Amino acid sequence: EVQLVESGGDLLQPGGSLRLSCAASGFTFSGFEMNWVRQAPGKGLEWISYISGGGGNIYYADSVQGRFTISRDNAKNLLYLQMNNLRVEDTALYYCARDGGYGLTLDYWGQGTLVTVSS
Amino acid sequence: DIQMTQSPSTLSASVGDRVTITCRASQSISIWLAWYQQKPGKAPKLLIQKASTLESGVLSRFSGSGSGTEFTLTISSLQPEDFATYYCQQYHSYPLTFGGGTKVEIK
Repeated sequence: EVQLVESGGDLLQPGGSLRLSCAASGFTFSGFEMNWVRQAPGKGLEWISYISGGGGNIYYADSVQGRFTISRDNAKNLLYLQMNNLRVEDTALYYCARDGGYGLTLDYWGQGTLVTVSS
Repeated sequence: DIQMTQSPSTLSASVGDRVTITCRASQSISIWLAWYQQKPGKAPKLLIQKASTLESGVLSRFSGSGSGTEFTLTISSLQPEDFATYYCQQYHSYPLTFGGGTKVEIK
């Protein structure tokens, strides 16, 4: 059974840093591209970052470019999101999501981890 | 970036109703369109990929159609468990983008 479990969410002040983790199981992690998607309270879904299976290709949304860094450890089946210079508008539930492969999209999602940025 | 526009934003319907949600892309995305269902406090659940391919386990009352820039999600006979928010998402190119969502409420 495919499982994605996020962790690391917290309450912090603007300008702070945080690292989120997503533990994957039930599939060959290195064979799948992964993404982070967030959802602000009461709002819609916003894609924020992508990483290829080997980690060589990475994309970011403009809203986080230069502040967030996606990475993965295929030996440990872990996906990360390093978040720096956090802003109030980064407050959201952060989901990791698996890309199902060629011609497919975000087929499995974790339950999310909450990041709150407030002074 | 490709903009995705969903309508309506809210839909009030009764059990047994046929419901249609529309999603428009700002440029052609071929068939690279997915639909998700999200219930309160839960992660989005993938219903449909490639505009019309139902995910395994998704009931046949859900259907998707369209290509290019115009897409629809249809629920043929609304059931109590279908009251939720639905999102479309294009995966023609990054950045992936989502529609604003359609909340299906009980009438």
